[in-house]
Amino acid sequence: GQQLNQSPQSMFIQEGEDVSMNCTSSSIFNTWLWYKQDPGEGPVLLIALYKAGELTSNGRLTAQFGITRKDSFLNISASIPSDVGIYFCAGSGGSNYKLTFGKGTLLTVNP
Amino acid sequence: EAGVAQSPRYKIIEKRQSVAFWCNPISGHATLYWYQQILGQGPKLLIQFQNNGVVDDSQLPKDRFSAERLKGVDSTLKIQPAKLEDSAVYLCASSLELLNTEAFFGQGTRLTVV
Repeated sequence: GQQLNQSPQSMFIQEGEDVSMNCTSSSIFNTWLWYKQDPGEGPVLLIALYKAGELTSNGRLTAQFGITRKDSFLNISASIPSDVGIYFCAGSGGSNYKLTFGKGTLLTVNP
Repeated sequence: EAGVAQSPRYKIIEKRQSVAFWCNPISGHATLYWYQQILGQGPKLLIQFQNNGVVDDSQLPKDRFSAERLKGVDSTLKIQPAKLEDSAVYLCASSLELLNTEAFFGQGTRLTVV
């Protein structure tokens, strides 16, 4: 089945720093999505990517759909304390467009 | 626009008991997903519906888990009998259609099996 490897598993950074995380897949995806999950809440969609090579921004967040269609990365610039949370990549592909999630990156921002 | 509604928010049951979760997706969303999220892990897809039909249930433990979406709108997920390892957050999500996988999530139901 489809497997996603997300890294790093956790990050501890200072406020104002930039952060980057990535996701690789064992199979080709048609769509890459990035989500953020706060404690006790469901994941919230941040960015959606649909084409290989696509670069999309949402405020301080930038994500790219890898050219091979097997990877994606998310950058957060000038981090702030409210960026704390767990970030998940998710990809869909195949005939049933099954949406598969990575294991998440726990981001901690030190004020 | 109202989001995905789930109930209950929390449930504690003893092993071997049964439990049911309810989900009402965003109005007009044809695709509905149930995910299981064990503490410290990413959501794992249990079942995916397109209207009232099952698109994928390959990871649903069918000996104890069942789900239905009879009228193609709201859905229920049932566990019978529950095991300790079923303790998790059960997330419901919906998307506009099968080809549009921008899924929007509810707050989830936290199940504790003791």
